[in-house]
Amino acid sequence: LAKTTQPISMDSYEGQEVNITCSHNNIATNDYITWYQQFPSQGPRFIIQGYKTKVTNEVASLFIPADRKSSTLSLPRVSLSDTAVYYCLVGDLGESGGGADGLTFGKGTHLIIQP
Amino acid sequence: DSGVTQTPKHLITATGQRVTLRCSPRSGDLSVYWYQQSLDQGLQFLIQYYNGEERAKGNILERFSAQQFPDLHSELNLSSLELGDSALYFCASSVLGRKGVQETQYFGPGTRLLVL
Repeated sequence: LAKTTQPISMDSYEGQEVNITCSHNNIATNDYITWYQQFPSQGPRFIIQGYKTKVTNEVASLFIPADRKSSTLSLPRVSLSDTAVYYCLVGDLGESGGGADGLTFGKGTHLIIQP
Repeated sequence: DSGVTQTPKHLITATGQRVTLRCSPRSGDLSVYWYQQSLDQGLQFLIQYYNGEERAKGNILERFSAQQFPDLHSELNLSSLELGDSALYFCASSVLGRKGVQETQYFGPGTRLLVL
């Protein structure tokens, strides 16, 4: 079971870069790392997914060190609208495992952006 | 708009009652997931269906059950409701829902259930 640990909450200011780190010491070889964003009273929304090194899209970057025991979601130049809960998930790609394990959202990280 | 629809949006009922929540996945998605979100427990995975069959099970109570129909819509049935069942219930869908594969899930707007 690839359990994840994230900060409960963080805050920052508009225009800053925000980095949220997720620990997953028991990550398995076939596990991918996925981040979701959730606004109040809305369903989570996919942000980014990666396996190793660095992944970047129009919204965020995901940094994964060589040992893959942690990952960092980087949000460049945040705005007030980035205030949300961010979830880190770790899941299996193969038939050997996964199932419900990769669907554990937990309580996420509450990110608050101030003016 | 994710393309996933859920009805009803709000539901208020009394303890001991039974309710049914409905979810229509995105067009073409074969897999449906149900989640419960409460203030103290966070977002909890309940159950996953793929093309009509149960694929994965999470923290779903015995009083709760779900099914996925041939047209791929899904229903979550909650019975003998208790005050603690008050929560937001989300449905999500993904394309294939292969076992263990962490596909992108598309979430619906949720159903807010209040048990009085």
